[in-house]
Amino acid sequence: EIVLTQSPATLSLSPGERATLSCRASQSIDSYLAWYQQKPGQAPRLLIFDASNRATGIPARFSGSGSGTDFTLTISSLEPEDFALYYCQQRSHWPLTFGGGTKVEIK
Amino acid sequence: EVQLVESGGGLVQPGGSLRLSCAASGFNFNTNAMNWVRQAPGKGLDWVSTISGNGANTYYSDSVMGRFTISRDNSKNTLYLQMNTLRVEDTAVYYCVKSFGGIYARFDYWGQGTLVAVSS
Repeated sequence: EIVLTQSPATLSLSPGERATLSCRASQSIDSYLAWYQQKPGQAPRLLIFDASNRATGIPARFSGSGSGTDFTLTISSLEPEDFALYYCQQRSHWPLTFGGGTKVEIK
Repeated sequence: EVQLVESGGGLVQPGGSLRLSCAASGFNFNTNAMNWVRQAPGKGLDWVSTISGNGANTYYSDSVMGRFTISRDNSKNTLYLQMNTLRVEDTAVYYCVKSFGGIYARFDYWGQGTLVAVSS
């Protein structure tokens, strides 16, 4: 099973700051990584697929990078609505797995 | 507009059974793989099962293999999850999730979820 390790667990930032979230895979997953955002009481929403492609309707302040085992989600300038939980997920190998999540909270 | 509406959750005793349903609309249901993903209270996301568009191929996490069965009725645009021999640790919100294409595709739309609580 591929283990995805997200860091940090919590990121405390102010609106307007840059957020950098990390996801590390236990073995290479090429670029088969997605990022999801989840707000309290809501279902997750796809942000980034295949490491660096924004999903439909996702603002340009969200960007993804990486390949192999190391991936990054960057939010260039945090908006109030961006404070949420973020999960990475790999679709390279069965079983499909998710990272443990990073909470972006208001400082 | 893609819509995924889950139903069938509820409170069940350990060892019991439940059948979840997911009514899909707004896309060509039979050309997309479908999935169930769960989230225990206060915990992260946990993939449960995937089924191909024609229903011929199914995949399960080790934790539910042999107890849960995923299926679909393409004539009714509906996805199912039959859950047997339920355990306390199966307590979670269960999400119906659409894949963008085949079984290895990204998860592009999620339903709002249905809560399954396993407790005596």
